[in-house]
Amino acid sequence: GEDVEQSLFLSVREGDSSVINCTYTDSSSTYLYWYKQEPGAGLQLLTYIFSNMDMKQDQRLTVLLNKKDKHLSLRIADTQTGDSAIYFCAESTVSYSGAGSYQLTFGKGTKLSVIP
Amino acid sequence: KAGVTQTPRYLIKTRGQQVTLSCSPISGHRSVSWYQQTPGQGLQFLFEYFSETQRNKGNFPGRFSGRQFSNSRSEMNVSTLELGDSALYLCASSLEWQPNTEAFFGQGTRLTVV
Repeated sequence: GEDVEQSLFLSVREGDSSVINCTYTDSSSTYLYWYKQEPGAGLQLLTYIFSNMDMKQDQRLTVLLNKKDKHLSLRIADTQTGDSAIYFCAESTVSYSGAGSYQLTFGKGTKLSVIP
Repeated sequence: KAGVTQTPRYLIKTRGQQVTLSCSPISGHRSVSWYQQTPGQGLQFLFEYFSETQRNKGNFPGRFSGRQFSNSRSEMNVSTLELGDSALYLCASSLEWQPNTEAFFGQGTRLTVV
């Protein structure tokens, strides 16, 4: 079955870069996502990458994908205190019940703490 | 434009009772998905509705059910509540539930079963 794994905690100093890592198992995943969850809030989509890409950059965010190792990472440059949150890696998996539906399979989330 | 609205935000129920949670998607979105978030299991997919039809269902017992109305609003129902059903229930809406379509999440309903 599908499984997404990520480390639970990461602590960095303000201004440094943060790198959050994730591994996934479903080789048929077409898209991989990074979501951010702040306390008391829902999930905010940060970025996503198509499985045939190696890298995607969006302002301070860089996503690297190693499809051979099924490894995904999110790098946040110049990390700020406002980046403190839980970051979820997710993969899209096809519904085997058909009907053209997909579902997101999430990791347990990495809690990023930014030290001022 | 208004985001995804989930009501109520907080709910306390007793074991054995049933509960109904509501989700109003972004205007124009036809796909609504539900997820359960717990500290132990993380985020788990419950079901997905598109144009009033359930297209996909996660691995949850039959006590968990849902429906979608013609205006795309969705409800999920949990009957015979158990302590383990205590969780944050998140709803996501998207234009179409395809892997490259952004899913917008609501703030969730926090259900506590006592």
